[in-house]
Amino acid sequence: ESVLTQSPGTLSLSPGERATLSCTASQSVSSNYLAWYQQKPGQAPRLLIYDASSRATGIPDRFSGSGSGTDFTLTISRLEPEDFAVYYCQQYGSSLFTFGPGTKVDFK
Amino acid sequence: QLVESGGDLVQPGGSLRLSCVASGGTFSASWMSWVRLAPGKGLEWVAQIKSKGSGETIDYAAPVKGRFSISRDDSKNTLYLQMNSLRTEDTAVYFCATPRQWELRWYFDLWGRGTLVTVSS
Repeated sequence: ESVLTQSPGTLSLSPGERATLSCTASQSVSSNYLAWYQQKPGQAPRLLIYDASSRATGIPDRFSGSGSGTDFTLTISRLEPEDFAVYYCQQYGSSLFTFGPGTKVDFK
Repeated sequence: QLVESGGDLVQPGGSLRLSCVASGGTFSASWMSWVRLAPGKGLEWVAQIKSKGSGETIDYAAPVKGRFSISRDDSKNTLYLQMNSLRTEDTAVYFCATPRQWELRWYFDLWGRGTLVTVSS
């Protein structure tokens, strides 16, 4: 079973800054079935990116995904106040869904 | 829209059944999952049941296999999770989740608000 690790655990930034979040899989992700979600306290997760680099419906273009194989990146080009949240990557493979442990983006 | 219910405080070793009612879409064609968020932890996928058209295949995460059972009633647009032999580590908010489009079947873009399950003596 492939395991996802995310780094850093916490990212302390200011509004307007660029955020770069990493997700590494222990095995190559099948067909790049890799997604990114945003979750705020008390809310359900929101799908941001799927298939490693496709933006979900209604997601602002300041969010972008890249990568393939085992190494993936979520970039937020300019942080808005509403972007401070926890971000998870997720893969699908061998009939299993796996989430990473998450990266918290908080105010510096 | 997805609305979960059934969460409660239960003792270790006990049982609980969660429900998730879907509206506004084609539930019978949807692949449905349960995902949980434990306090201080990250998201964890629990189980999936595919549509009848996809063979109603069921898969479970290793930590719940043999204890939890996922099912669906398409006539009621309802998804269930029967949880037996509950452990303290099962304490979490349980979300039902599904892809709204076939192209997103490996992901979850529609989520409920969650229901809290607390396992404690």
